Amino acid sequence: SQQGEEDPQALSIQEGENATMNCSYKTSINNLQWYRQNSGRGLVHLILIRSNEREKHSGRLRVTLDTSKKSSSLLITASRAADTASYFCATDPSPRAAGNKLTFGGGTRVLVKP
Amino acid sequence: GAGVSQSPRYKVAKRGQDVALRCDPISGHVSLFWYQQALGQGPEFLTYFQNEAQLDKSGLPSDRFFAERPEGSVSTLKIQRTQQEDSAVYLCASSLGWDRNGYTFGSGTRLTVV
Repeated sequence: SQQGEEDPQALSIQEGENATMNCSYKTSINNLQWYRQNSGRGLVHLILIRSNEREKHSGRLRVTLDTSKKSSSLLITASRAADTASYFCATDPSPRAAGNKLTFGGGTRVLVKP
Repeated sequence: GAGVSQSPRYKVAKRGQDVALRCDPISGHVSLFWYQQALGQGPEFLTYFQNEAQLDKSGLPSDRFFAERPEGSVSTLKIQRTQQEDSAVYLCASSLGWDRNGYTFGSGTRLTVV
């Protein structure tokens, strides 16, 4: 079963626009991570936010975390065609599962049109 | 190597056939994970190794699934008597252990059972 739910399931935007996607989860976490997956490829780690952090930036990415609402958002600013991919949130639970096993959401499929 | 390597990239198996999927993690990575990803879904946890010890196999869907990592490096996921519902992408990921910077995923093996 999947811990998180992502919203929207799919998103289509024009190049240069911002893309925002949300993730909700159910249990307490140590951290939450966002991954990108291009079609037919493996997942690429984008950013990790710890449970005591509220916001984090990495390049054109901005992640927020609200542990009281058990939700996170990923913002991609000034999107490019190359940002077309599926984006997944993944939670690292607390207390720790063996090996900090991640639980993934169902993903948001983002299409950036040139 | 520089990344996590999985082979084969694609596998077509007849129903009832046994298959073996290989994962070469990043050298020195203690933790190794297997995930199963159905089409259009997020990855679902299968099993976890710390070195050669299989510490969590709670995600294996049936006793037809078996994983090993005998020398603490290369891992093999074996599926016996494959069924159509086993069709999915099988992803391997590795990490340094208690590394808080996310996993490194391989490109996956796409298994199609016909």
